[in-house]
Amino acid sequence: GAGVSQSPSNKVTEKGKDVELRCDPISGHTALYWYRQSLGQGLEFLIYFQGNSAPDKSGLPSDRFSAERTGGSVSTLTIQRTQQEDSAVYLCASSRMDRPNEQFFGPGTRLTVL
Amino acid sequence: GQQLNQSPQSMFIQEGEDVSMNCTSSSIFNTWLWYKQDPGEGPVLLIALYKAGELTSNGRLTAQFGITRKDSFLNISASIPSDVGIYFCAGQASGNTPLVFGKGTRLSVIA
Repeated sequence: GAGVSQSPSNKVTEKGKDVELRCDPISGHTALYWYRQSLGQGLEFLIYFQGNSAPDKSGLPSDRFSAERTGGSVSTLTIQRTQQEDSAVYLCASSRMDRPNEQFFGPGTRLTVL
Repeated sequence: GQQLNQSPQSMFIQEGEDVSMNCTSSSIFNTWLWYKQDPGEGPVLLIALYKAGELTSNGRLTAQFGITRKDSFLNISASIPSDVGIYFCAGQASGNTPLVFGKGTRLSVIA
């Protein structure tokens, strides 16, 4: 497809369960970003990939959060032992290497932890 | 850490009116960007600004990169109903640092 895609679009889970969120970036975009958006808030940076490596993991809120990227394309954000405060919209974005600040966003995954 | 103050938080305007919103930062940014987010969608880039003092237009939208590099504004002229949404400013300190986002301005347009 032409844009960034994310799956699932919605995820409802019980507290304590693990979840995996997937992002497919725009073809040819080497940089990939994960953000979290809580209700009525701006976007909180989580992690950034250049190719398959993550030079900046500074935004991951706890060690329950991890992310990986394989083949320089698809990325998975994993949240272990989910907590209610993890409920948010998780947004993925990608960009060209020469235009790292022009990020194109996917529609997001709305995570609800009961 | 760096923070962006975006104002106003929300606006209700009549169709046809002009709109102005702004962002200020406690520190310098080298890039300013403005995004719009519709319900259930990710943010869409509207305008990117790369130089202090730069004034850039995209249709009815005009944005400026403040001369101090600590602020930016976005103007929308002759608003229409499809302008409804949440507008976010974002700043970047240098090429490989994360974008820092404001909390958004929610725009409602009354026909």
